[in-house]
Amino acid sequence: ETGVTQSPTHLIKTRGQQVTLRCSSQSGHNTVSWYQQALGQGPQFIFQYYREEENGRGNFPPRFSGLQFPNYSSELNVNALELDDSALYLCASSSERPGDGYTFGSGTRLTVV
Amino acid sequence: ILNVEQSPQSLHVQEGDSTNFTCSFPSSNFYALHWYRWETAKSPEALFVMTLNGDEKKKGRISATLNTKEGYSYLYIKGSQPEDSATYLCAFASGGSYIPTFGRGTSLIVHP
Repeated sequence: ETGVTQSPTHLIKTRGQQVTLRCSSQSGHNTVSWYQQALGQGPQFIFQYYREEENGRGNFPPRFSGLQFPNYSSELNVNALELDDSALYLCASSSERPGDGYTFGSGTRLTVV
Repeated sequence: ILNVEQSPQSLHVQEGDSTNFTCSFPSSNFYALHWYRWETAKSPEALFVMTLNGDEKKKGRISATLNTKEGYSYLYIKGSQPEDSATYLCAFASGGSYIPTFGRGTSLIVHP
C-alpha cells in the first residue's frame, strides 16, 4: 500500500506570486485534508476534499483554493502570496469513515520572501 | 473555534524514564480524539484514534486513556527510549464537522 506523497518538498516564492502544492492520497482513501503549520503552532485546518468536492473549510481566505482529482490526488493553490503564508503545508488522506485516522505526507515547506 | 491544549509544551527525560502528557479538549459534542507521533523530517504517524469515554489503547510501550466527560486524554510512554523522541500531537474531532482540530503538540526528547 502506498503512502501519501507531497511535492515539492521545499519551495521559495516571492510575495504576490502564486503557488501550487500537490499531494497523492494513500491507496483506498478518498478524502484529502490540507493543513498549514506555522512556526510554533499546531497544524491549522485549511480544507478537506471528499470525492472531488470541498467537504469543509477552515478559517482561510479565498486565495487558498484546492482541487481533488478522480484518482483522489489533490492540489492546494495559494494566490497573491503573503509573507505570513510561509509555513509547512501538510496533506493527509483518509477514508470516508470519520473515526479513521489520517495518513500524512511529509509536507511542503513554503518560504515567501 | 475549538480549543485543544497540550501540556507540557516540551519535555526532556532520561532513557528508561516513564512519562506522560495531557491533551485537553471541549467536553461537549465529542466524536473522536486522535494521537499522532511526529519525528523530525518524517510524516506524522497515527498512534491512536479513540472514540469512547473510558477508552484505553496500547501500542507497545505507549498507551492512552480518554475521558470525554471532563475533556482530557493522557498519553503514557513506559521506559522511554531515544527513538521515542518526537513531537506528539493530539487532535479533537467534534460531532459537528468530524474534522480534527490539532493542538500544538508536546515535544519529547529522550536523552541516552
